[in-house]
Amino acid sequence: AQTVTQSQPEMSVQEAETVTLSCTYDTSESDYYLFWYKQPPSRQMILVIRQEAYKQQNATENRFSVNFQKAAKSFSLKISDSQLGDAAMYFCAYRSEVETSGSRLTFGEGTQLTVNP
Amino acid sequence: EAGVTQFPSHSVIEKGQTVTLRCDPISGHDNLYWYRRVMGKEIKFLLHFVKESKQDESGMPNNRFLAERTGGTYSTLKVQPAELEDSGVYFCASSQVGWGYSRQDEAFFGQGTRLTVV
Repeated sequence: AQTVTQSQPEMSVQEAETVTLSCTYDTSESDYYLFWYKQPPSRQMILVIRQEAYKQQNATENRFSVNFQKAAKSFSLKISDSQLGDAAMYFCAYRSEVETSGSRLTFGEGTQLTVNP
Repeated sequence: EAGVTQFPSHSVIEKGQTVTLRCDPISGHDNLYWYRRVMGKEIKFLLHFVKESKQDESGMPNNRFLAERTGGTYSTLKVQPAELEDSGVYFCASSQVGWGYSRQDEAFFGQGTRLTVV
């Protein structure tokens, strides 16, 4: 079974600074997807960024980028130029690309990010 | 376009009572998922519907939980009888397809239902 670990329960960053959230995972599969989800205080979780394991290039979405290290099974999220609206709970998630494994997401425990003005 | 909606947003019930949670997925999304987050823990998968069929219910904790998806539209998750350890936030998500297909597999989440069993 796959597992996802987020070792930082809480993180804080100053507005306009950069912060990196860590995520490691364990799997025996070679094809999979990795995601970062953001859950603001309003509680609706939204997708921030996704990474296909077969792609060597790190995904980027505006101020959000990932550092995907497949051999190390590491998938960190970097938020540049942090804004007050980035304050949220961030979840790292894994999904198999093998149909027989199901399309469910496996989540980490989350990292609560605080952005200080 | 309406997103995934869940009702109620918050429910407080006594141990032994029954509670029914509802999820309305995005129109046209055949895949519907239920997840649960117990306080401070990771979000855990409960089950997956494809249309009205249960594709994967390996995450359902026990037979006190019953999920249905009538006509492949909205879904309900009933907990009967509720126990203290059932407290948590129940999330519903939907996606157009299960895998790949140019991001049509993206899962959209509802705001969750916070269930408190006292």
